[in-house]
Order: sequence, then structure tokens, then C-alpha cells
Amino acid sequence: QVQLQESGPGLVKPSQTLSLTCTVSGDSISSDDYYWSWIRQPPGKGLEWIGFISYSGSTYYNPSLKSRVTISKNTSKNQLSLKLISVTAADTAVYYCARRDLWSTYPTDPWGQGILVTVSS
Amino acid sequence: EIVLTQSPGTLSLSPGERATLSCRAGQTISSGFLAWYQQIPGQAPRLLIFGASRRATGIPDRFSGSGSGTDFTLTISRLEPEDFAVYYCHQYGSSPWTFGQGTKVEIK
Repeated sequence: QVQLQESGPGLVKPSQTLSLTCTVSGDSISSDDYYWSWIRQPPGKGLEWIGFISYSGSTYYNPSLKSRVTISKNTSKNQLSLKLISVTAADTAVYYCARRDLWSTYPTDPWGQGILVTVSS
Repeated sequence: EIVLTQSPGTLSLSPGERATLSCRAGQTISSGFLAWYQQIPGQAPRLLIFGASRRATGIPDRFSGSGSGTDFTLTISRLEPEDFAVYYCHQYGSSPWTFGQGTKVEIK
């Protein structure tokens, strides 16, 4: 059974770079069956999809964040990473990593438990 | 970008009642790439329905999904105490993938 676990700093200063890691167990991120995504949720608000990376390494980002975000993967560590530059208080959110089936209508699932990142000086 | 609009924003009902949640898309969602999630505060979203009408593994049959094109519905036939939560629809057929703003089902 695949499990995803986010990790990283819980506090980032404004204008700095937010860096998170998602460790995947029970499956390989090199598998050609999935997209691997990041999604975020500001406190008390709804969900915002950030982007995904495919097995081939191709990426797609939400246009609203495209200029600031990079998603990559480390296949040797079976990890997914997220970098968001030039953060502001508006980037304060719970950040989730999740998997989506590439070849079927099975959606974004499962999700990690999420990690709260606060942007504050 | 496909905008998803959920209604109502809040639904106040009693246990045992039927809940009907709506999700309307600004464009046609291809091939039923529409899912519904339940979120309890402090937890990650839990998948309920995918492909517009297919229940995910382990989801009780009181949850059902329907619809196609631009109009989709999540129905909870008889509310149980654990069903009071926020529900999101999600389209994943067209990038960028998007979510509705959520419907909160609260105890009346």
C-alpha cells in the first residue's frame, strides 16, 4: 500500500524559498503509471492544485504559480520535491503531495497527511 | 482553466436526512474526470467518488455521485454523524486540475 509523507521546514521567512520533500513508500516514483502532484490549502480555505511531475520527468504547473514553482524527483531516494521561490504570507498553507493514476479515471489519491508551512518573519 | 462552482456553500441538516451537493463546471469535463472528496478538519481529503459516479474502495453506499458534462451531484442518502464535514469536487481531466470551493455540511 503506497504511503506519502511530506517533510520540511514549518516556518519560512518572506521572500525566501519554500522547500518540501515527499517521501513515497510502497511504490516507485519511477513507475510509468502515475503523476505525482503537490496541492496546497491555506488555513480555513479551499484546495489549490500546484502541479505534477510524470514518470518521464515532464512537469505541468498551475499558471497562477508557474513563475515561482519547481517540482522535481529523486528516484534514488524515491522522493518528490517542491520549491516555491519568493514566498509571501499568501503562501502560508498546508501542503500535500498526492498520486494520480496516469492511465485511468482514478483521480488524485492517495494523499500525504500534509505539512503546515507558515510564511512569517 | 475549468472553474468549478459548488452549491450551496453550507448545508444545515439533521442526522438521517438526505444531502444533495452540486458542482457546476464552467466547461465540459471530459470523460467523467470528476471526483468528490470529504475533508474533516485537520485531516487530508478522503476520496469518495471518482469518474463522476464510482465509489472509491471502502466508501459506504449511502454516498453516490451522478452527472456529466458540466453538472454533477453528490448525494448522501442518510446522514450519519461522521458525515458532517466539508466536501470538494475536483476535475482532473484538463490541466490545470481544479477544485471547487467546497460545501460544508453542518449539523442543524
